[in-house]
Amino acid sequence: KNQVEQSPQSLIILEGKNCTLQCNYTVSPFSNLRWYKQDTGRGPVSLTIMTFSENTKSNGRYTATLDADTKQSSLHITASQLSDSASYICVVSGGNRDDKIIFGKGTRLHILP
Amino acid sequence: NAGVTQTPKFQVLKTGQSMTLQCAQDMNHEYMSWYRQDPGMGLRLIHYSVGAGITDQGEVPNGYNVSRSTTEDFPLRLLSAAPSQTSVYFCASSYKGGQGGYGYTFGSGTRLTVV
Repeated sequence: KNQVEQSPQSLIILEGKNCTLQCNYTVSPFSNLRWYKQDTGRGPVSLTIMTFSENTKSNGRYTATLDADTKQSSLHITASQLSDSASYICVVSGGNRDDKIIFGKGTRLHILP
Repeated sequence: NAGVTQTPKFQVLKTGQSMTLQCAQDMNHEYMSWYRQDPGMGLRLIHYSVGAGITDQGEVPNGYNVSRSTTEDFPLRLLSAAPSQTSVYFCASSYKGGQGGYGYTFGSGTRLTVV
């Protein structure tokens, strides 16, 4: 069964610290993997996208990695800011149809001052 | 350039009522989708469209209808609202869909409560 599992479910860190969020998937075939940020009460916003041949992609203080062999991805946030408090969703696309897009349940990140 | 616009932002319905959630995009995107987001669950696909006149069912289509008469609009209709349809609904659009390497642009959501 195609699944996307994210860990941890929630995370609390102090402002200025780094953190890493994990995403494991069993989606096959694999097309691409995205990380989205979703602020409370808002729709998800794309942070990064990686295809099979890419193993790292950065967007400012966000760096995503992908290991297609082990089917794992991580999102590293450097020097966290209060505005990073949000849910981070891993999304994996498989196949050629939109109904093959699988969303993880997200990691809820809280940044404390 | 407004992106993806959803209306209304909030709605309360009585069981059995019908209503239409509106979604419009001004980016000339071919692909549009409707998702629902429930606590503790990932976004789940309700219906999607790969272009005007073409729609298909997603993971949880029961109780919902869609149509795509224009590229810009993709309304979601609840035929007879049930409490199980209480959720936050997101509309999204993309240039060539999730598989093409193009990210989805999401609307800000409609919070629906069915009592």
